[in-house]
Amino acid sequence: NAGVTQTPKFRILKIGQSMTLQCAQDMNHNYMYWYRQDPGMGLKLIYYSVGAGITDKGEVPNGYNVSRSTTEDFPLRLELAAPSQTSVYFCASSYATGGRSQPQHFGDGTRLSIL
Amino acid sequence: DQQVKQNSPSLSVQEGRISILNCDYTNSMFDYFLWYKKYPAEGPTFLISISSIKDKNEDGRFTVFLNKSAKHLSLHIVPSQPGDSAVYFCAARYKGGSEKLVFGKGTKLTVNP
Repeated sequence: NAGVTQTPKFRILKIGQSMTLQCAQDMNHNYMYWYRQDPGMGLKLIYYSVGAGITDKGEVPNGYNVSRSTTEDFPLRLELAAPSQTSVYFCASSYATGGRSQPQHFGDGTRLSIL
Repeated sequence: DQQVKQNSPSLSVQEGRISILNCDYTNSMFDYFLWYKKYPAEGPTFLISISSIKDKNEDGRFTVFLNKSAKHLSLHIVPSQPGDSAVYFCAARYKGGSEKLVFGKGTKLTVNP
């Protein structure tokens, strides 16, 4: 009964390094999302996916890339880490079809610091 | 420009009393509203939602009210319990089935024993 699993939980990167934040869900949800939450702010959508092979930009996509090769996995890639990308990253998933949808389920987040 | 606003960063209430958390929105293209609850070091968890065609939805101790003309919604928790202490996020979904959510900044609720 894992739900949405994010790894790692914490990471410190140096400026210019790259990394991939992993997200996996076991609920057979078709939609998956990546959000970032900066201190004192709400969650902002980075990228989302409506199914395997289909991704689209959210509100703050610059500096990030995603892929969705399977229903279960939705990794987020940072190519050239910048201090402005220091944040807590949340992955979420949900099921929606035919105009009916369920609330998004969230993972516990990855806390990322860029120094 | 914030489309979903939670103007109170924090709220403190006594155990057993009512907690009222407020949320305002500016975009008429939202058709569905949700409240999420978040504990430290955990992800947000869904609490309750309301469609724009309704003005009230109730689930146990939690009730959400929607005033479309004022573009305002509120979450009532009665009675409040210490375990309700968390950050509460209001979120809104656009019409048209995009499933994308816009979140407010959150209100930190503290329920004192």
